[in-house]
Amino acid sequence: DQQVKQNSPSLSVQEGRISILNCDYTNSMFDYFLWYKKYPAEGPTFLISISSIKDKNEDGRFTVFLNKSAKHLSLHIVPSQPGDSAVYFCAASGADNAGNMLTFGGGTRLMVKP
Amino acid sequence: DGGITQSPKYLFRKEGQNVTLSCEQNLNHDAMYWYRQDPGQGLRLIYYSQIVNDFQKGDIAEGYSVSREKKESFPLTVTSAQKNPTAFYLCASSIALSNTGELFFGEGSRLTVL
Repeated sequence: DQQVKQNSPSLSVQEGRISILNCDYTNSMFDYFLWYKKYPAEGPTFLISISSIKDKNEDGRFTVFLNKSAKHLSLHIVPSQPGDSAVYFCAASGADNAGNMLTFGGGTRLMVKP
Repeated sequence: DGGITQSPKYLFRKEGQNVTLSCEQNLNHDAMYWYRQDPGQGLRLIYYSQIVNDFQKGDIAEGYSVSREKKESFPLTVTSAQKNPTAFYLCASSIALSNTGELFFGEGSRLTVL
């Protein structure tokens, strides 16, 4: 039973356009959400996070939106650059997760074409 | 440079053999974690440790063992009891065990069972 789902395994976008990566969750106890970026043969690196008390968090070209009623969050990258090509993981944690026991989605591979 | 070092990067093992993956961090983090990544799946937690000489099972601990004799080190042993050990293994650390803390990941170790 996957509590965090990324339904699109891959996404292809033209350079300069917007990339939108989606993530759905089922556990209503999740109250903190993170996005990680992963290049091949490397460990994931933290990208951006959002607390459930907010519905939007922005950091440069990256914005995360949270819709608690729909249990949905999305990561927007504007404008997309070829260097953004990577696998993006959505992760969640909450009151019923002891500590940093993040629950990860399956990842979405983003390909930004020059 | 501060960070997490995993070794070896690639490892081949014959069936029935135990193998130990090394993870060392010089970030002075209290908490350390081991995750497993399989193709198309999110990261799944194997074991975690919030302090020296203490560790807890994650979601998929069967067939694995860990130790935490030093703050900097959290080795993972993949035993012969692990039925499907071929995977990409990621070690991570965080300042403390909290649900809003960022995880820092190593570059990973790819284990292949022949």
